[in-house]
Amino acid sequence: EPEVTQTPSHQVTQMGQEVILRCVPISNHLYFYWYRQILGQKVEFLVSFYNNEISEKSEIFDDQFSVERPDGSNFTLKIRSTKLEDSAMYFCASTRARGYTFGSGTRLTVV
Amino acid sequence: GESVGLHLPTLSVQEGDNSIINCAYSNSASDYFIWYKQESGKGPQFIIDIRSNMDKRQGQRVTVLLNKTVKHLSLQIAATQPGDSAVYFCAETNDSSYKLIFGSGTRLLVRP
Repeated sequence: EPEVTQTPSHQVTQMGQEVILRCVPISNHLYFYWYRQILGQKVEFLVSFYNNEISEKSEIFDDQFSVERPDGSNFTLKIRSTKLEDSAMYFCASTRARGYTFGSGTRLTVV
Repeated sequence: GESVGLHLPTLSVQEGDNSIINCAYSNSASDYFIWYKQESGKGPQFIIDIRSNMDKRQGQRVTVLLNKTVKHLSLQIAATQPGDSAVYFCAETNDSSYKLIFGSGTRLLVRP
């Protein structure tokens, strides 16, 4: 069964550093998403991406965040200057329409 | 505003019993609902979905019920097994946006 692959599985970074979280969506999917989950809380929408541009973003997705699909395969989330409160699980998802597939997530720890 | 919430944060059931997990939503424009299972350290895993033109959908050991009148969604798991222990989230979406709005989650504990 096709999978959404995320790397790394765990990243520890110092506050103020830039991090890039990587995702390889399912190849024939058209819509790509990033969600995050702070420990013990619900999954929150960050951003959706379609046709090489952001289609929707949440209030969480401020100027510190950016997404790219640099090579038609990878889908990345960049946090320019990490804050302690960015510590969370970050999930990538992809879909053709509404059949979401989530990756296993990257646990980001900001120290 | 939009919100999807759950009535019970933790549900403990005996192995072999049936489980019912509930969810309330407030956005009447939502037309597609999904139940996800999340095991520790993993991403949400699709269980079952239902569109707003239906009120019941069955899968293998799982049934989703939708009551649009009271904006209520439930997940029924038959003959609950230890492997069903996880956190269960409901999520909603609609035609104007494919983003998912998740509920707070219910932890299901299965006692042997």
